Amino acid sequence: NAGVTQTPKFQVLKTGQSMTLQCAQDMNHNSMYWYRQDPGMGLRLIYYSASEGTTDKGEVPNGYNVSRLNKREFSLRLESAAPSQTSVYFCASSTRMAGELFFGEGSRLTVL
Amino acid sequence: GENVEQHPSTLSVQEGDSAVIKCTYSDSASNYFPWYKQELGKRPQLIIDIRSNVGEKKDQRIAVTLNKTAKHFSLHITETQPEDSAVYFCAASIFGGIQGAQKLVFGQGTRLTINP
Repeated sequence: NAGVTQTPKFQVLKTGQSMTLQCAQDMNHNSMYWYRQDPGMGLRLIYYSASEGTTDKGEVPNGYNVSRLNKREFSLRLESAAPSQTSVYFCASSTRMAGELFFGEGSRLTVL
Repeated sequence: GENVEQHPSTLSVQEGDSAVIKCTYSDSASNYFPWYKQELGKRPQLIIDIRSNVGEKKDQRIAVTLNKTAKHFSLHITETQPEDSAVYFCAASIFGGIQGAQKLVFGQGTRLTINP
């Protein structure tokens, strides 16, 4: 039982490059989320998916796109990375009826 | 949208003493208030949560109180131990909507240090 798995764990990009962060959960959860964590700013919601086939914007969606590939997988794409997107990214999932978010280990992204 | 303010940003207490972290929220429709603990280099993990129909909830040495009128909620840790050292985040959301997902808005975090 792996829980929530994110890849890659570390990535360095140059400004303008693109990349996709992958997330998969094996807990049969309906809802999945992408957060970014920056020092002194807590966790901010980028995008979320209430259920397979739906996605919606969070607090800071600009510069990102997401895909809910199936019930297990939710990917986050940076089309043209900017230094302001340097952050730690967390994927999370939850059931429809319970509040607890289960987080992945995080992906540290540096954009030069 | 919802806005959550958390204070203090850092807190240092002696081992065995109590620690209190406070949060305020802006959206009176919010009905779910969890607290997460994040140890250095680790993922956030839920430690306790409270729903708006309850004023207080306890789990061993930790407790959360909620004042809906003032839109305040607080985390209380008693008899602190070195393993309580971590960053703590409060959050608020409207839970139970039609789609079932929640848009949790987090506070800025409190770095708690327990001094031996």
